[in-house]
Amino acid sequence: SYVLTQPPSVSVAPGKTARITCGGNNIGSKSVHWYQQKPGQAPVLVIYYDSDRPSGIPERFSGSNSGNTATLTISRVEAGDEADYYCQVWDSSSDPVVFGGGTKLTVL
Amino acid sequence: QVTLKESGPVLVKPTETLTLTCTVSGFSLSNARMGVSWIRQPPGKALEWLAHIFSNDEKSYSTSLKSRLTISKDTSKSQVVLTMTNMDPVDTATYYCARIIVGAFTYYFDYWGQGTLVTVSS
Repeated sequence: SYVLTQPPSVSVAPGKTARITCGGNNIGSKSVHWYQQKPGQAPVLVIYYDSDRPSGIPERFSGSNSGNTATLTISRVEAGDEADYYCQVWDSSSDPVVFGGGTKLTVL
Repeated sequence: QVTLKESGPVLVKPTETLTLTCTVSGFSLSNARMGVSWIRQPPGKALEWLAHIFSNDEKSYSTSLKSRLTISKDTSKSQVVLTMTNMDPVDTATYYCARIIVGAFTYYFDYWGQGTLVTVSS
């Protein structure tokens, strides 16, 4: 089955740039989607198709995907961005939906 | 306005069967580009996909839980139902339903329900 690997935690100071990675075998050949989950809340889609933003998601959120790594980038980080972030792909080999293990973003 | 809302028991006993209902509004379960998935999250842990169903009644289940899961839909009632048999304390989790948007060789979840916490305990 396909595996997505995320760092457990990322820390960043306010106003700086946070980069959260999602590793997978040849993930660049897949479409990657990202979700933000704040404590006690349901996940929210923040990036789909590697780099598209749903309406209402700030331009500070961007994504890229190439080779074996997809990256969610959050520019000018704010305290309100503190959350868990999950990457997700569709896979044809076993379970159609694969989530990464999640990354906790801490704003220092 | 798209909404999804999960309903079901908050407490089930070990070995019992869990039945959860997802009631949707703002879209139709007959829409060919959409579907509904169930996803769960044990306390403090990651998201885990469980099952999906599409307008043509195509269904798929997590390989690790396939023998215990059944998903179905009632389009006229705008409801998707998930049953999970032989519940165990390790199944304690928040259970979410989410709307699927189908793309080319992919799909993603654009709307999620608020989730319902199910505790398995005697």
